[in-house]
Amino acid sequence: EIELTQSPGTLSLSPGERATLSCRASQSVSSRYLAWYQQKPGQAPRLLIYSASSRATGIPDRFSGSGSGTDFTLTISRLEPEDFAVYYCQQYDNSRGTFGGGTKVEIK
Amino acid sequence: EVQLVQSGAEVKKTGESLKISCKGSEYSFTSYWIGWVRQMPGKGLEWMGIIYPGDSDTRYSPSFQGQVTISADKSISTAYLQWSSLKASDTAMYYCARLGSQWHFQYWGQGTLVTVSS
Repeated sequence: EIELTQSPGTLSLSPGERATLSCRASQSVSSRYLAWYQQKPGQAPRLLIYSASSRATGIPDRFSGSGSGTDFTLTISRLEPEDFAVYYCQQYDNSRGTFGGGTKVEIK
Repeated sequence: EVQLVQSGAEVKKTGESLKISCKGSEYSFTSYWIGWVRQMPGKGLEWMGIIYPGDSDTRYSPSFQGQVTISADKSISTAYLQWSSLKASDTAMYYCARLGSQWHFQYWGQGTLVTVSS
């Protein structure tokens, strides 16, 4: 089973700043099957990015995804107040999936 | 608009059985995989398993294989997650979600909180 390690665990930034979140896989992952989600307290997760770099419907273009192989990145170009949340990466391989442990983006 | 509506919160005792549901609407229920995700209190998301309602093909994470059963009734567009004997460690929020073409969770239900106590 592929393990996903997200770093940092917590990112303390101010509105307007750039956020760079990392997701590292224990073995190579197909870029087609790597996704990112946002979760706010008390809410269900929301799909942001799929296939490593494709934005889901309605997701602002300040969110972008990149990477391949074992290293993937979610970038928020300029943080808006509503972007402070927890972010998870997720992969699917060999008939099963896994999530990373999450990165919390908090207000500095 | 695609909707997934989950059954309400449950409070159960250890050893009891439970089946929670997830009803899909506004799309072809038999044409998309549906999955279940666990979130224990204050913790991250865990991929439990998925089912294709069209033919009931089911895939489980090794962590959940044998611990839960995922099923679907396509006649009523509903997927299920069930336990035969609950443990306190099953206390969690459970989300269902419809998968997209690249095996990502595209649409999510509102979640079902399961609380298990002795």
